[in-house]
Amino acid sequence: DGGITQSPKYLFRKEGQNVTLSCEQNLNHDAMYWYRQDPGQGLRLIYYSQIVNDFQKGDIAEGYSVSREKKESFPLTVTSAQKNPTAFYLCASKGGAATGELFFGEGSRLTVL
Amino acid sequence: GENVEQHPSTLSVQEGDSAVIKCTYSDSASNYFPWYKQELGKGPQLIIDIRSNVGEKKDQRIAVTLNKTAKHFSLHITETQPEDSAVYFCAASNGGSGNTGKLIFGQGTTLQVKP
Repeated sequence: DGGITQSPKYLFRKEGQNVTLSCEQNLNHDAMYWYRQDPGQGLRLIYYSQIVNDFQKGDIAEGYSVSREKKESFPLTVTSAQKNPTAFYLCASKGGAATGELFFGEGSRLTVL
Repeated sequence: GENVEQHPSTLSVQEGDSAVIKCTYSDSASNYFPWYKQELGKGPQLIIDIRSNVGEKKDQRIAVTLNKTAKHFSLHITETQPEDSAVYFCAASNGGSGNTGKLIFGQGTTLQVKP
């Protein structure tokens, strides 16, 4: 089935450690996005990429990094510089310019101990 | 930049009643307004969207209305059912010529439909 796969679903990390969240899509979509979800704050955009080998910062990029070496993959690294990394992270992709619909993965919950 | 405010944060209704969720946006250039439904432990899913050249759109029990002058749009769910219980998010974007899909989301509304 076509869709977006995020892994791991749950992740625990000690303070000071970097962690990478995986996002893979087989929808042949050009654009991919990372959102962070916190209770009562909706979804906030971390990074997005409209094409391979190119990406832009979203509204809360500090302490995060991404890469887009392949069309299907858009991994997010939460670095030790992110002050409040405990959150639910959502990856999404979008088809061509004619559509506005985002397709989301099931999310990764990161807890920093 | 764009800011989207969503109300109420929680909403409880009896099965069969209607539910209304309201959002306001700040950027008058915004032209695309989707609504997403998020079930527990899952990612959000698009349920309906509207573009700025339309005032209302319906899909079975759900409808969205848009007032561009007031920069306000609403989700209406009629004949609510227990499976409608979820978190609902509104969003807005200025697609421009490239339609980057950079959505700004509201804070979310937790809807509970009581049997």
